[in-house]
Amino acid sequence: RKEVEQDPGPFNVPEGATVAFNCTYSNSASQSFFWYRQDCRKEPKLLMSVYSSGNEDGRFTAQLNRASQYISLLIRDSKLSDSATYLCVVRYQKVTFGTGTKLQVIP
Amino acid sequence: GAGVSQSPRYKVAKRGQDVALRCDPISGHVSLFWYQQALGQGPEFLTYFQNEAQLDKSGLPSDRFFAERPEGSVSTLKIQRTQQEDSAVYLCASSSILAGAMSGSYNEQFFGPGTRLTVL
Repeated sequence: RKEVEQDPGPFNVPEGATVAFNCTYSNSASQSFFWYRQDCRKEPKLLMSVYSSGNEDGRFTAQLNRASQYISLLIRDSKLSDSATYLCVVRYQKVTFGTGTKLQVIP
Repeated sequence: GAGVSQSPRYKVAKRGQDVALRCDPISGHVSLFWYQQALGQGPEFLTYFQNEAQLDKSGLPSDRFFAERPEGSVSTLKIQRTQQEDSAVYLCASSSILAGAMSGSYNEQFFGPGTRLTVL
């Protein structure tokens, strides 16, 4: 089993839709969790950290479920500019990236 | 301020050739990471430096891969006798003190634009 697993997608959604991605991790001792965004042929950039209590940043909501060992990212009111690959990142001693979930927002 | 820079941005090498990839981290950033990203995959950890000390090189795929950061700033990733399977984007990231692998806290890793290596 991979340390961090994501559905690669692509998720094709219309503008204005709500879309959610999940990511599972195998190491129950994992300490920190993040979502990074990577545009095509660009470097990854931190989107948001994921806290146990859940956290929200504008249209983006991240949640952590330690019991089931998954994190989620919810995007409301999708914009064309949200089209990108979303990388789940888990840290235990070192940082491990998932393979990413590709989102395509369609006009 | 300047971000992380990498050079060259693109490198084409013939199989068996040696290559050297350079990373200039954000000034003052103590931690530096190298990742390998194959097409359609997430970045895979290669190695980590804290200042000039290479604290983790567990991700280097073979002894053909070597990284150094002799003065605790610029880092070079060298690949000897390149093979086709080495074709990937090599990403460098830096973060400020108390970052990354060996500490109890996490500071954001800032990535460079990467070097796209193609081995023919």
